[in-house]
Amino acid sequence: AQSVTQPDIHITVSEGASLELRCNYSYGATPYLFWYVQSPGQGLQLLLKYFSGDTLVQGIKGFEAEFKRSQSSFNLRKPSVHWSDAAEYFCAGLDDKIIFGKGTRLHILP
Amino acid sequence: DTGVSQDPRHKITKRGQNVTFRCDPISEHNRLYWYRQTLGQGPEFLTYFQNEAQLEKSRLLSDRFSAERPKGSFSTLEIQRTEQGDSAMYLCASSIAGGIHEQYFGPGTRLTVT
Repeated sequence: AQSVTQPDIHITVSEGASLELRCNYSYGATPYLFWYVQSPGQGLQLLLKYFSGDTLVQGIKGFEAEFKRSQSSFNLRKPSVHWSDAAEYFCAGLDDKIIFGKGTRLHILP
Repeated sequence: DTGVSQDPRHKITKRGQNVTFRCDPISEHNRLYWYRQTLGQGPEFLTYFQNEAQLEKSRLLSDRFSAERPKGSFSTLEIQRTEQGDSAMYLCASSIAGGIHEQYFGPGTRLTVT
């Protein structure tokens, strides 16, 4: 069955530190992949997407993600987090329908 | 603001009552999606429309749920005889049809069934 897995429910990093959020997918073929961010009381905002081509994808707010077919992964990274990055992050895959992971809540220490 | 809007933002209802939510998509988007999100979970697909046609419904969408998009613009999601298990955030998204296009999400309607 198609699935998207985010192994970390919570991640805590200090402001200014680097960040990596993990995402693994299980699909018959390479799906289209997305990262969304959800702040409290807000809808989901698209950070970046991967359809094909360059496996390192740049997104908004300084985020990037790298698609690794050999590891079935699409991890989200940011070199230096800001307090405003505290939110919930969802990885999603699209084949015939979009499937979201369960999310990773990011906490930022001052 | 020309984003996706949803109304109401919050709804508290008693078990057994009917509720209806509205979603207004981005005006040039002809696809509209409904999702349900419970605490600690990612959004789960419920149904989607292309123009006024409802093209797919998830098995999650029991017969108490009905969605419409009568003129291919706004959509409504109705839940009849609400149950406590219906308490969730209901998200609407819209996109352009044809090919793979990102979905733009509204702020959601939080339903609490007491």
